[in-house]
Amino acid sequence: DQQVKQNSPSLSVQEGRISILNCDYTNSMFDYFLWYKKYPAEGPTFLISISSIKDKNEDGRFTVFLNKSAKHLSLHIVPSQPGDSAVYFCAASPLYTGTASKLTFGTGTRLQVTL
Amino acid sequence: SAVISQKPSRDICQRGTSLTIQCQVDSQVTMMFWYRQQPGQSLTLIATANQGSEATYESGFVIDKFPISRPNLTFSTLTVSNMSPEDSSIYLCSVALTSGQETQYFGPGTRLLVL
Repeated sequence: DQQVKQNSPSLSVQEGRISILNCDYTNSMFDYFLWYKKYPAEGPTFLISISSIKDKNEDGRFTVFLNKSAKHLSLHIVPSQPGDSAVYFCAASPLYTGTASKLTFGTGTRLQVTL
Repeated sequence: SAVISQKPSRDICQRGTSLTIQCQVDSQVTMMFWYRQQPGQSLTLIATANQGSEATYESGFVIDKFPISRPNLTFSTLTVSNMSPEDSSIYLCSVALTSGQETQYFGPGTRLLVL
């Protein structure tokens, strides 16, 4: 049972354009959401997070949107750069843990930013 | 953030043997975790490494197969016991930090191939 889903295994975007990565979840207990970027042969790198009390969080070129009623979140990257080419994972943490623990990860979306 | 190192970075092992993976953090942290990423799959939480007590394992993972030590607040080990080819994965440790926002930071991973 995949509780966190990233239905697009890959995405190709032109440099300078917006990249939109989507993530859906099924567990209503999830309260805190994170996005990670992963390059080959490296561990995931934290990008941005959002708690369920917000519907938007912004950090530089990265913005995460949360739609709790739809159990959907998205990561927007504007403008996209070639260095953004990586696999992006969304992850979710349940409320009762009180911390960013017991993360459940999605299957990842491979983003390719082309010149 | 935290600087996390893992040893070894990669290994090739024979079936039936065991491998111990080390995780070192540059600061004291309360919560450390071990994850597995099987080929083409997402990250799956194996266990939470608790300092001074037994690790807390997720469903599908048992102590006999994945014994974990956490002797202090900066170090942990994960042993993959009696290995089979199905254990070929990337094993990652992570730590949870609170610095304005809750997040988990990951080590670079240990790439294991079991023949």
